[in-house]
Formats: sequence, C-alpha cells, structure tokens
Amino acid sequence: QKEVEQDPGPLSVPEGAIVSLNCTYSNSAFQYFMWYRQYSRKGPELLMYTYSSGNKEDGRFTAQVDKSSKYISLFIRDSQPSDSATYLCAMRGSWKTSYDKVIFGPGTSLSVIP
Amino acid sequence: DAGVIQSPRHEVTEMGQEVTLRCKPISGHDYLFWYRQTMMRGLELLIYFNNNVPIDDSGMPEDRFSAKMPNASFSTLKIQPSEPRDSAVYFCASSHVTGTGNYGYTFGSGTRLTVV
Repeated sequence: QKEVEQDPGPLSVPEGAIVSLNCTYSNSAFQYFMWYRQYSRKGPELLMYTYSSGNKEDGRFTAQVDKSSKYISLFIRDSQPSDSATYLCAMRGSWKTSYDKVIFGPGTSLSVIP
Repeated sequence: DAGVIQSPRHEVTEMGQEVTLRCKPISGHDYLFWYRQTMMRGLELLIYFNNNVPIDDSGMPEDRFSAKMPNASFSTLKIQPSEPRDSAVYFCASSHVTGTGNYGYTFGSGTRLTVV
C-alpha cells in the first residue's frame, strides 16, 4: 500500500461547479497536510496548508483533514477555468522529529469547462 | 524574490552522456530538495539537504546519480552516464521552517530531461 493515495482522474466539471478532491494516507504520524496546484509545464505551488484535524478556508478553497479516517479533502467552490490544473496532496510528520520529508500524492488532474 | 531558479529548462542528451542540473534556492531557505516527476511514478524525492548537508539520499535511484550543495545558494544534480529511463522532469524545491512548523516548499520551474 502506498503511503498516500489519490484518484488520478482526470476530473472534468462545468464552470461554477463545486469540486471535491481527496486523498487517503496510511501513516498516522502525519500531522501537516498540504495541497499543491500544478499547472502544465510548471512546478507545484502551495495552495493550502493545515495542521492536524479540522477545516481551513481560503477564498473559494476549503481544506478538510480527518485524522481518525486518515482522509483529507480539498473543496473548490464556484470553479473557474483557471482552476484547471493537477492538484497534489502532500503531508509530513512533526518538524520536531527526524521525519522531515514531505510525501506527495500522485495528483488529480482537473479540467473546468467554460 | 526571483523564486527557485533551475537551469537548464530543457535538456536533450544522448545515452551515456553526463548531465548536470542546477538549482539556486530562495535566499534564507535552509532546506533544499531534488524531485523527479514522471507520469508513471509521480513526484519522487531523490535527495534533500539541510544547511547544505545531505540528510537523506535514499531516493537516489542508482550510483549514476549524485548531488552536491557546495554553498547555501547553489546545488547540482548530476547523472553520469545518463540512460533513456532517466527522462523526466526534475524539480528543485527549497523551504524554511517557520515558528509554526509550516514549511511549504517553493518549487522551481523544473528541468525537462530527455535522454535519447
């Protein structure tokens, strides 16, 4: 079993739809959870960052973490064509331990159709 | 801030040749990471440095790969000899641990390597 799993898609939605992107993970030591957005032929860029369980909202984006289920989600409201990209979840353990590496999911390709 | 700078953007080389990829991290960032991205395997961590010291190189696929960070502002990833299966996009990323433990990575634009 991979440490982080994510449906690769592709996911295609009409403009204005609510998008739900999800990841599951197996390592209970993960405490920091991130979502990266990667446009074609570009490097990933940090979109959202959360610590432990709970929700975090930033504009049209909401990140949710359920540590009990080892499940994280990213919701995009009022999706726009400019949201078309690959979304990678990422996670890591405590920065106070030697486990410094961030583990990335394989990414979900999203297309928002005008 | 110019961000993480990688060079070259594209590299096409023949099998057996030496390839050197270069990275300039963001000033003040104390972590530097080299990743490889392919359709089949996604984003794979090859090696990372903390304060110029290699911490974990367990992701380096073979002895053909080597990485150095001679100072805080420069790192190289070298493949010698290169093989067609090394064709991928290679990303460099840097980060800094903040007081809250937040350290999202800043990625460069990548080097697209094609070995023919």
